[in-house]
Amino acid sequence: EDKVVQSPLSLVVHEGDTVTLNCSYEVTNFRSLLWYKQEKKAPTFLFMLTSSGIEKKSGRLSSILDKKELFSILNITATQTGDSAVYLCAVEGQGGKLIFGQGTELSVKP
Amino acid sequence: DTAVSQTPKYLVTQMGNDKSIKCEQNLGHDTMYWYKQDSKKFLKIMFSYNNKELIINETVPNRFSPKSPDKAHLNLHINSLELGDSAVYFCASSRTRQETQYFGPGTRLLVL
Repeated sequence: EDKVVQSPLSLVVHEGDTVTLNCSYEVTNFRSLLWYKQEKKAPTFLFMLTSSGIEKKSGRLSSILDKKELFSILNITATQTGDSAVYLCAVEGQGGKLIFGQGTELSVKP
Repeated sequence: DTAVSQTPKYLVTQMGNDKSIKCEQNLGHDTMYWYKQDSKKFLKIMFSYNNKELIINETVPNRFSPKSPDKAHLNLHINSLELGDSAVYFCASSRTRQETQYFGPGTRLLVL
């Protein structure tokens, strides 16, 4: 059965800290891996990764995919209170089906 | 200039009722989706339509029936609502089945 597992499930840090969120997967016919940020509303798209070893970067956020070891990490440097959210990892399998992980709840304290 | 919109935002109803949630996207996307997010915040895909054609139909009760009158709309009708249907329902769309999905604001359904 296809599955996506994220760790840790929750994380509390202080502003300025760097965090690494993990996502491992077992999905048939892998197409891509996506990261989303969800605050109190709908998920918003962060990154889509399709190739191993190529880092995607957006400001203080970056992500990389390892298709051999079947995982991805999302890094956030110099965290701010506005980074507090649930970060969702999803893997796209056959037919465009997205399988989501359970999310990592990040709380950034001032 | 909302990209993916859903109505209503909130829906409170009694068990046994029939209700519909509407979704519209103005992005010109070919593919639309319905997701359910339960109280544990776990997102799960329910249906996917590509150009009005059903392409993904996950294991959901027959009480849930999607309807796509055109490429820009995907509505979700739920018959005989049950307590366990209480959740947030998200609509999403993507340009093609292989591209990034953009989510609507969600509809919070509470069945009493």
